[in-house]
Amino acid sequence: EDQVTQSPEALRLQEGESSSLNCSYTVSGLRGLFWYRQDPGKGPEFLFTLYSAGEEKEKERLKATLTKKESFLHITAPKPEDSATYLCAVQDTGSARQLTFGSGTQLTVLP
Amino acid sequence: EAGVAQSPRYKIIEKRQSVAFWCNPISGHATLYWYQQILGQGPKLLIQFQNNGVVDDSQLPKDRFSAERLKGVDSTLKIQPAKLEDSAVYLCASSYGGLAEAFFGQGTRLTVV
Repeated sequence: EDQVTQSPEALRLQEGESSSLNCSYTVSGLRGLFWYRQDPGKGPEFLFTLYSAGEEKEKERLKATLTKKESFLHITAPKPEDSATYLCAVQDTGSARQLTFGSGTQLTVLP
Repeated sequence: EAGVAQSPRYKIIEKRQSVAFWCNPISGHATLYWYQQILGQGPKLLIQFQNNGVVDDSQLPKDRFSAERLKGVDSTLKIQPAKLEDSAVYLCASSYGGLAEAFFGQGTRLTVV
């Protein structure tokens, strides 16, 4: 059974204070790892897909990296508008190809 | 490009009543998912369709939940009868194929009292 664990559960940063969110996973075979952002009262918004260890993707102040056991979402010089819950999900190589989500990291960036 | 549409946005029902949610995926997306998200948790897959066929419904409580996707486009998810523990946000998502990223609707917040 696929498992995804995200840490920390909650993170408070000052504006401009860089940090990283962690997503550790257990799958029989990884087809892809996905990062989503979720604002209160809204559905998750797609950010990145990573397919293989060593891969990196960037978007504005966000950079996602992948190893064989975990992924990191690095946030550089965050702004208050980056406040949201960040969700990590994995898709295994099984026939169903469903997404298994972690519980998320709730990020708050204070001005 | 229009996103995934869901309705209603909010629903309050009493336990043992029935409720239905509707989803219209992004045009051309063959894969459709229904997820349940309980407050403070990540989304949990209930059912996955590929066109109008079920790919995975292993976590769907089939004694009370049902879903259909007619003609491989719109989908409905029904709960009958509802229990207090069904209070959650029900998210619909779609993707071009099973390997592509999924795009989510805004969800339906269900409260069972």
